[in-house]
Amino acid sequence: DGGITQSPKYLFRKEGQNVTLSCEQNLNHDAMYWYRQDPGQGLRLIYYSQIVNDFQKGDIAEGYSVSREKKESFPLTVTSAQKNPTAFYLCASSILQGTVNEQFFGPGTRLTVL
Amino acid sequence: KQEVTQIPAALSVPEGENLVLNCSFTDSAIYNLQWFRQDPGKGLTSLLLIQSSQREQTSGRLNASLDKSSGRSTLYIAASQPGDSATYLCAVSVAGKSTFGDGTTLTVKP
Repeated sequence: DGGITQSPKYLFRKEGQNVTLSCEQNLNHDAMYWYRQDPGQGLRLIYYSQIVNDFQKGDIAEGYSVSREKKESFPLTVTSAQKNPTAFYLCASSILQGTVNEQFFGPGTRLTVL
Repeated sequence: KQEVTQIPAALSVPEGENLVLNCSFTDSAIYNLQWFRQDPGKGLTSLLLIQSSQREQTSGRLNASLDKSSGRSTLYIAASQPGDSATYLCAVSVAGKSTFGDGTTLTVKP
């Protein structure tokens, strides 16, 4: 089955802890993205990567970090510097063909700070 | 900075009605526009993608149009069904980055 997997589905974090969200894709897509979604709102871009070993900050990168050591994997770490991390986190990937950027999404991880 | 607006925020219709969801964007220099469906607590499912050179795309009961010059797109759903109940989001892409609207939550009543 081709697709994007995210784990865990639910994650609970204590104040001051760093946590890492996993995102894996077997679609052979070049680009990968992390978004945050708050209740009743659209998606906001945290980080994105268009090639292995390279990534760029999105609109709300403060308090987050990423790595892209393999084409298939793009983990997101939510650090203790992120003041309000409770949200729904979505990972996406796309194959960049010319100007076409069609994104496909994983099932999401819901992070709750206790 | 690109801004994407979706109106209305919520819509409730009886089963069988045809309906239109709206998406507007401020910067017309886009590469493509994508419509998604999101069920509660789930990820996004891609419905239709319209490239900047295209005017519309169709898939089954769905038809999406794009007017770049006016910064607008519409998603037309024919003969709505209760299973169409979900939140619909549009996203515009430029240079590998996408900007999303807040979505329209659709409820189709049996």
